[in-house]
Amino acid sequence: GENVEQHPSTLSVQEGDSAVIKCTYSDSASNYFPWYKQELGKRPQLIIDIRSNVGEKKDQRIAVTLNKTAKHFSLHITETQPEDSAVYFCAASIKLGKLIFGQGTTLQVKP
Amino acid sequence: ETGVTQSPTHLIKTRGQQVTLRCSSQSGHNTVSWYQQALGQGPQFIFQYYREEENGRGNFPPRFSGLQFPNYSSELNVNALELDDSALYLCASSSIAGETQYFGPGTRLLVL
Repeated sequence: GENVEQHPSTLSVQEGDSAVIKCTYSDSASNYFPWYKQELGKRPQLIIDIRSNVGEKKDQRIAVTLNKTAKHFSLHITETQPEDSAVYFCAASIKLGKLIFGQGTTLQVKP
Repeated sequence: ETGVTQSPTHLIKTRGQQVTLRCSSQSGHNTVSWYQQALGQGPQFIFQYYREEENGRGNFPPRFSGLQFPNYSSELNVNALELDDSALYLCASSSIAGETQYFGPGTRLLVL
């Protein structure tokens, strides 16, 4: 069945360093890949998304890359700040808006 | 913050009871999806409603059911509650089935 694997489960970086989170999806028909940030006790917030016809997308300090052949996509955060600390979820969608989420990565940015 | 709202924010029920959760979609959105998020896990897709009809369902039993109203708000109903139903229930709205989804704040359900 459809599955999304996310790594690492926890990530600790120093302020100013870069952070990379990787996801692998199982269904090659997946065509939409959003990333959500969820702070403790709050709703998941969309931070960036990419569609299967694009290999890379960037928004200020955040970028996502997609490798359809290998069926994996990654989130890159540069110049990390303490307010980037949160749980990050990747997701993949084949159709009908059914998002399959990864298990989440807890990012801690140390001042 | 998105314009998606949910009620109630918290709920405590006992096993066997029934619960109804509500979601108001963002203005201009006609699609609502429901997810269950267990503690420490990613959200799991329950089902989606588009123009008042169910438009896809995840691996949840029939005791999870839903409705969408003409104003595109939605309800999630869970019958015969089990302890494992304790979770954060999130709804997400989008403008077209399959497009970007924006989440509400969730309803935290505790089943005792």
